[in-house]
Amino acid sequence: DAKTTQPNSMESNEEEPVHLPCNHSTISGTDYIHWYRQLPSQGPEYVIHGLTSNVNNRMASLAIAEDRKSSTLILHRATLRDAAVYYCILRALTGNQFYFGTGTSLTVIP
Amino acid sequence: DTEVTQTPKHLVMGMTNKKSLKCEQHMGHRAMYWYKQKAKKPPELMFVYSYEKLSINESVPSRFSPECPNSSLLNLHLHALQPEDSALYLCASSQVAHRVGGDEQYFGPGTRLTVT
Repeated sequence: DAKTTQPNSMESNEEEPVHLPCNHSTISGTDYIHWYRQLPSQGPEYVIHGLTSNVNNRMASLAIAEDRKSSTLILHRATLRDAAVYYCILRALTGNQFYFGTGTSLTVIP
Repeated sequence: DTEVTQTPKHLVMGMTNKKSLKCEQHMGHRAMYWYKQKAKKPPELMFVYSYEKLSINESVPSRFSPECPNSSLLNLHLHALQPEDSALYLCASSQVAHRVGGDEQYFGPGTRLTVT
């Protein structure tokens, strides 16, 4: 399974944008890039996913490099409630398997 | 209702006990999952059910026995566990088993299991 690499931890000031990077140099042409986050004492929750084009939703934006070997999750204005572990996951074209990477622990500073 | 419920929230069991974890969803999802998460580690996939049939077993020891009695329920039967099996057990579900690119998974809050 293709692997992802993320920084162990990052900090951001409240109300500032946050860019969370993910490297996936072994991504195949049909792998989708998914992002989930896990708040303390909760199960993971879906954030966003994409294939090639940049994606936006109400929670975040996903910027995907042209060669698809990396991607960046963008939180436009960090709030204290965004403090969580963010996981970047590659998902095959079909199939249900979900393999989490090590994730980035985001701390938001008031 | 986009909720996945898991019971119990906490479970303490001895190595000779038999217990079960329960997961329930009413979103009409036809794929359900069990994950194991150790402290400060990412979730690890254990089992996947598609249309109530076991489709993936990630080489999980037989002391963990999953069961999907219907499309809304998922159980994990536990027997003769070891202390190293202590972890958070997460259940998830998704809408369609094999749609291209995958559907988002909805996770429950987990069951915190301690094996003594």
